[in-house]
Amino acid sequence: AQSVSQHNHHVILSEAASLELGCNYSYGGTVNLFWYVQYPGQHLQLLLKYFSGDPLVKGIKGFEAEFIKSKFSFNLRKPSVQWSDTAEYFCAVTPSGGYQKVTFGTGTKLQVIP
Amino acid sequence: GAVVSQHPSRVICKSGTSVKIECRSLDFQATTMFWYRQFPKQSLMLMATSNEGSKATYEQGVEKDKFLINHASLTLSTLTVTSAHPEDSSFYICSASSGSGETQYFGPGTRLLVL
Repeated sequence: AQSVSQHNHHVILSEAASLELGCNYSYGGTVNLFWYVQYPGQHLQLLLKYFSGDPLVKGIKGFEAEFIKSKFSFNLRKPSVQWSDTAEYFCAVTPSGGYQKVTFGTGTKLQVIP
Repeated sequence: GAVVSQHPSRVICKSGTSVKIECRSLDFQATTMFWYRQFPKQSLMLMATSNEGSKATYEQGVEKDKFLINHASLTLSTLTVTSAHPEDSSFYICSASSGSGETQYFGPGTRLLVL
């Protein structure tokens, strides 16, 4: 079975600072990787996803993530955060091949200070 | 596109009663729907996966007789918490996928409080 770990539970940044949230997964086969965001009081939204191809994936709102297969990692990055990025971020993994169980990380709460 | 709704958004009920939560895919046909439970400060835990027209597949440790799931159409799945107890109080979230099923779209969640 797959597993996901997010090492940062709570991150506090000032506006314009750069962001990198770590995500490592464990699974023996090929995977699909996701980052979801949950803004305060809102539901989970897909930020970006990786299925195959270019390991550097660009998502909405200036976020990107890089899949490094050798490190089993899929870190989320943003060069300059804004106050509106304050949210909880979840990394998720599923074995490739459709209709597979998605496993979520425990989430990272990002707080951006104006 | 890919909007999923849930109803109700929050519900308070007495211990021993049953509560039904609806999950609808508004602008696409959802061949597969998923039900999650999220405890405070924890991640989403998958409870069950349901495919339209067939029985749901429950995760280990989830009581299928307590959490009844029905996926009667390609746009609607329901979760019924039967004989609810205070420990069932939680945030229940559904998601839906279509096509290849590799991307899930999430509903806004339902907060259940059992008194």
